[in-house]
Amino acid sequence: GEDVEQSLFLSVREGDSSVINCTYTDSSSTYLYWYKQEPGAGLQLLTYIFSNMDMKQDQRLTVLLNKKDKHLSLRIADTQTGDSAIYFCAESISSASKIIFGSGTRLSIRP
Amino acid sequence: DAMVIQNPRYQVTQFGKPVTLSCSQTLNHNVMYWYQQKSSQAPKLLFHYYDKDFNNEADTPDNFQSRRPNTSFCFLDIRSPGLGDAAMYLCATAPGRTAEQYFGPGTRLTVT
Repeated sequence: GEDVEQSLFLSVREGDSSVINCTYTDSSSTYLYWYKQEPGAGLQLLTYIFSNMDMKQDQRLTVLLNKKDKHLSLRIADTQTGDSAIYFCAESISSASKIIFGSGTRLSIRP
Repeated sequence: DAMVIQNPRYQVTQFGKPVTLSCSQTLNHNVMYWYQQKSSQAPKLLFHYYDKDFNNEADTPDNFQSRRPNTSFCFLDIRSPGLGDAAMYLCATAPGRTAEQYFGPGTRLTVT
């Protein structure tokens, strides 16, 4: 079936890199997404990667895709307090015409 | 700026009293979605419209209905809210069914 899994929590020191990992099951996914949700707010699309790409970089964000292992990661360089949020991984499911979200990883920043 | 707008941001309703949440978009996207999100959980898709074509998720309760009178607006009607329906309701739009989705800020529903 369709499933997206993420670890629930990650704590990093301010200034370090954060790496949030995700695994998915649908090998036919065309796009994979990372969303950020701050408390009481909607989901903000951070970045996405097409399934035929291995890597995408956008300023402090690097997305790595290992299609063979169905593993997606989001690296945030120089993590700041404003990066504290829940990060959702999501995959597009072509056959069902929708996207499936993981349960979210809560990123907390310590001084 | 093009965006997804949800009104109201906070809604309080009584147990069993019908309530309508609204969503509008200036992105001119074909697809509009309604999600329910409970605390610290992933958003759960309730239904979506592709233009006027309505698509209900199999496990969406009958208590939830939706209307899309035109491209810009979409409404979520909860006919008889129960305490378990208290949640954040998120509207999203997309240019296609598996394309990136753009979310509104959400409406937090409280049922008393």
